[in-house]
Amino acid sequence: DAKTTQPTSMDCAEGRAANLPCNHSTISGNEYVYWYRQIHSQGPQYIIHGLKNNETNEMASLIITEDRKSSTLILPHATLRDTAVYYCIVPPTSGSRLTFGEGTQLTVNP
Amino acid sequence: DSGVTQTPKHLITATGQRVTLRCSPRSGDLSVYWYQQSLDQGLQFLIQYYNGEERAKGNILERFSAQQFPDLHSELNLSSLELGDSALYFCASSVAAPLGSTDTQYFGPGTRLTVL
Repeated sequence: DAKTTQPTSMDCAEGRAANLPCNHSTISGNEYVYWYRQIHSQGPQYIIHGLKNNETNEMASLIITEDRKSSTLILPHATLRDTAVYYCIVPPTSGSRLTFGEGTQLTVNP
Repeated sequence: DSGVTQTPKHLITATGQRVTLRCSPRSGDLSVYWYQQSLDQGLQFLIQYYNGEERAKGNILERFSAQQFPDLHSELNLSSLELGDSALYFCASSVAAPLGSTDTQYFGPGTRLTVL
């Protein structure tokens, strides 16, 4: 699996954009970047994924650098309910198992 | 709501016992995955089934076994339980794209197992 590196924790003010970085310098050309989050012992929640181009859905935006070695998840207007551990994952194309690292604990403050 | 259901939500049992955790995948999904999350190990992949057949194995103990039935629901059987088996057990499902392509997994709410 391509290794990912994320900051251990981040803080964000409610209503502001939360930008969560992820480094994945060993990513292969056909491997996707996935983001999940886990809110306090609930099941991990799929957020977004991308290959090369930037992606946006109703939850977030994903910005992938041109060399694909890093990406940023953007929550445009963070709310208190976005407080969670965010995982950046690069699953292998040979199988679909997800390898969860430590993730980033995002705390949204009022 | 991901569409993946797991029962029971909570399970309390004693060491040495055997339990069965159940998972129903999203409608149309052929693959089921099991993950374990304990305090000291984080989220770890256990096993994957695709359309009734085992497809991939992770860090699953020999005391644990799983199966996927013709209606695609899956069960995870844990036997000879030890204190260290206390954890959250999550099931996920996916459509199951062909090998070599991506496939989004959707997780259930989990079963919290406490072994006393």
